[in-house]
Amino acid sequence: GAVVSQHPSWVICKSGTSVKIECRSLDFQATTMFWYRQFPKQSLMLMATSNEGSKATYEQGVEKDKFLINHASLTLSTLTVTSAHPEDSSFYICSARRQEGYTFGSGTRLTVV
Amino acid sequence: KQEVTQIPAALSVPEGENLVLNCSFTDSAIYNLQWFRQDPGKGLTSLLLIQSSQREQTSGRLNASLDKSSGRSTLYIAASQPGDSATYLCAVPETSGSRLTFGEGTQLTVNP
Repeated sequence: GAVVSQHPSWVICKSGTSVKIECRSLDFQATTMFWYRQFPKQSLMLMATSNEGSKATYEQGVEKDKFLINHASLTLSTLTVTSAHPEDSSFYICSARRQEGYTFGSGTRLTVV
Repeated sequence: KQEVTQIPAALSVPEGENLVLNCSFTDSAIYNLQWFRQDPGKGLTSLLLIQSSQREQTSGRLNASLDKSSGRSTLYIAASQPGDSATYLCAVPETSGSRLTFGEGTQLTVNP
């Protein structure tokens, strides 16, 4: 089946540093990918929609300069958390759509210390 | 704006029991509806996708139904097992290929 590979699965970084999360579609081309954030015991919150070759569309309240999204190819989208702070600690998940429905990455646990 | 609600928020059952998870949505103009499973600290695993023209889909012990006119879907799990313990999420896209709207999920615990 369709596989979306996301890595790293977890990362710990110091405050003020930047962290890049990658999301790859392994056996299909994804013109659109979605980035979600999930807090403990809560459902997924859409952060932005990533479109290949164009700028991402951010949801209201999401800082585009803090959460940089790049979708340079049909198989790779990246989310960079810039100047990370402890409040950015969360679980980040990417997703892509296929004919068979949406498929999700395994998620990245970000801890900022 | 589409809103998706899942009931119950949490469910604990003994092993072997059949159970039903409920999902309701406010805007019946959906393209499809998808059920997911999420284990703690993991991503989402797709369980079943029901197109708007379909009434139900089955996969193994899972059966999902869809009633667009009433804005409801159910996920039926037969002969539950401890390995079924997870959070179950339903989601609908607003149009083909667009963003998903998720319910808050049902946390299922199946006790041995």
